[in-house]
Amino acid sequence: EIVMTQSPATLSVSPGERATLSCTASLSVSSNLAWYQQKPGQAPRLLIYAASTRATGIPARFSGSGSGTEFTLTITSLQSEDFAVYYCQQYNNWPPYTFGQGTKVEIK
Amino acid sequence: EEHLLESGGGLVQPGGSLRLSCAASGFTFSIYAINWVRQAPGKGLEWVSSISGGGHTTYYADSVKGRFSISRDDSKNTVYLHMNTLRAEDTAVYHCTKGSGSGWYFWSDPWGQGTRVTVSS
Repeated sequence: EIVMTQSPATLSVSPGERATLSCTASLSVSSNLAWYQQKPGQAPRLLIYAASTRATGIPARFSGSGSGTEFTLTITSLQSEDFAVYYCQQYNNWPPYTFGQGTKVEIK
Repeated sequence: EEHLLESGGGLVQPGGSLRLSCAASGFTFSIYAINWVRQAPGKGLEWVSSISGGGHTTYYADSVKGRFSISRDDSKNTVYLHMNTLRAEDTAVYHCTKGSGSGWYFWSDPWGQGTRVTVSS
């Protein structure tokens, strides 16, 4: 099973600033990595797939990068609606699909 | 618009059973894999089970293997998760998701809002 590790657990950022979230896989997952956003009381929403492709309707301030074992989600100029929990997920070697434990982006 | 709607959750005693349903709309249901992903209270996301388009192949997390069973009825655009011998650690919100992608590589999009399962005496 591939273990996904996200850092930091919590990121405190001021509105308008940049947030950089990391995700590390225990084995290479090529570019088969997705990022999801989850707000309280809501279902997760797909942001990024194939490590760097934005899903339909996702603003350009969200970008993904990386391949192999190291991945990054960057949110430039954080908006109020971006404060949420973000999860990475590998879909290269499954079953099982595995998720990171999440990074909470909170208002500083 | 693609949409998934779960139902069937509730309170059940340890050792009991429950059947969850996931009704889909807005896409050609029969050709897509469907997944169940759960989230325990205050915790992260855990993949539970998947069924291939056409229903020929099923997959389960080790934590539910032998207790849960996934099936689909393409005539009703619905996937089911049959949960038996439920344990307290199965308490979670259960989301169904559509497997988007191609070949062997599928991400989850969209997600249903989820149905809550509570296992307690």
